[in-house]
Formats: sequence, structure tokens, C-alpha cells
Amino acid sequence: GGIITQTPKFLIGQEGQKLTLKCQQNFNHDTMYWYRQDSGKGLRLIYYSITENDLQKGDLSEGYDASREKKSSFSLTVTSAQKNEMAVFLCASIAGSSAETLYFGSGTRLTVL
Amino acid sequence: AQSVTQPDARVTVSEGASLQLRCKYSYSGTPYLFWYVQYPRQGLQLLLKYYSGDPVVQGVNGFEAEFIKSNSSFHLRKASVHWSDSAVYFCAVSAGTNAYKVIFGKGTHLHVLP
Repeated sequence: GGIITQTPKFLIGQEGQKLTLKCQQNFNHDTMYWYRQDSGKGLRLIYYSITENDLQKGDLSEGYDASREKKSSFSLTVTSAQKNEMAVFLCASIAGSSAETLYFGSGTRLTVL
Repeated sequence: AQSVTQPDARVTVSEGASLQLRCKYSYSGTPYLFWYVQYPRQGLQLLLKYYSGDPVVQGVNGFEAEFIKSNSSFHLRKASVHWSDSAVYFCAVSAGTNAYKVIFGKGTHLHVLP
């Protein structure tokens, strides 16, 4: 088995701040994802990466940057945190094709003061 | 582009009752379809998935779902729910030329009364 580790678990930022979230997986999976989970809005896709150094925009990419410099890691940057923003960011990975199971990390909870 | 609609934000049933959680997708071809569950204070995990073959797929813990192409639906069912089934259930779809793009619905919060 494997695991997806997201750091930090809790992130508190100030309005306008640039914030970086990190994700590591030891499944040796090719494809990785970042989703944002808000109450009542489900999971919205921010970025995904099919392989190392690949980046694909999801439906919610505005306001975010991503980086996949190694197969095992995928980071997400909030370019300018919005005041009163609260959300959980989930990282996930799959082995190969999109018919495979997504494995999720436990999330990073963001609060912007 | 594909999309997923879960029309019920919240469903409440009594323990032992049958359950159906609705999911409709938008895509002209045959998509890959999934149901994931998020138990309180836990991460998301797969319940079941469909990508070909028998349109009725079995999942864990007695859950099943039926792919009905003519209705663009993939409803989740369980014959008899238990209080431990209380969780948030997400339907998801991936399809087409951009098959790595996995899109989730807004989720249905299931509350089972003991």
C-alpha cells in the first residue's frame, strides 16, 4: 500500500499572502490532482498533472499556480489569499488511466484572516 | 465538457430503510463513473466504479449503482442502511479526450436515524 501526505494540515494566512501547499505520494502514481472542497460546493478541480513536469488546468485554476517537479510530489500555491476564505484542499493520485481509483490525502485546511 | 449533478444536498432515512442517492451526468459518450464516500473526519474513499460491461456494479458495504445511459444517470442504492452509513457521498465522472479530468458533484449528505 501507499500513502498521500499533505502538509501542512492547517494553514492560516493573511489577506494577499502567497501560500504554498505540498503533497507527496509513495504509490509511484503518474497522475496527481488538487481539489478544493467547500461546504455545499463539493470538490472542484484546480490543477492536475498527468506526469512529471506536466500541468493541466481544472475548472478553478484562476488564483492558483501548481508545480510538479518530481513524480512523487505536487505543490499548489495560492497566489493571493482572499480575506475570510476557508476551504479544505485535497490532493489525490491515480496509477494510470482515469478508470482507476483516486487515492486522497487527508487535506489541508486553509483559513485566511 | 462533462459535468455531474447530485440534486439532493441532504437525505435523511431511518436505519433499515432502503436508499437511493441520485446522480446525473452530462456527456454524449460513455463515461467512467464513480461513487466516493467521505465519512466524518476521514478522507474520501471509493465505493464503486463503472466503465464498461454489466450496468449494475457492486461496491463495498452492500452498495450498488446502475448505469442507465438513456437517462444519463448513475444512482447509488442500498437495500438496508445502517447508522454507520451516515457520510457525504460524491458522484464523479471522467470522459472523452480529456479522460484524466475527474469531475465531482456537490455531494449528498446522508443522515441515518438510529
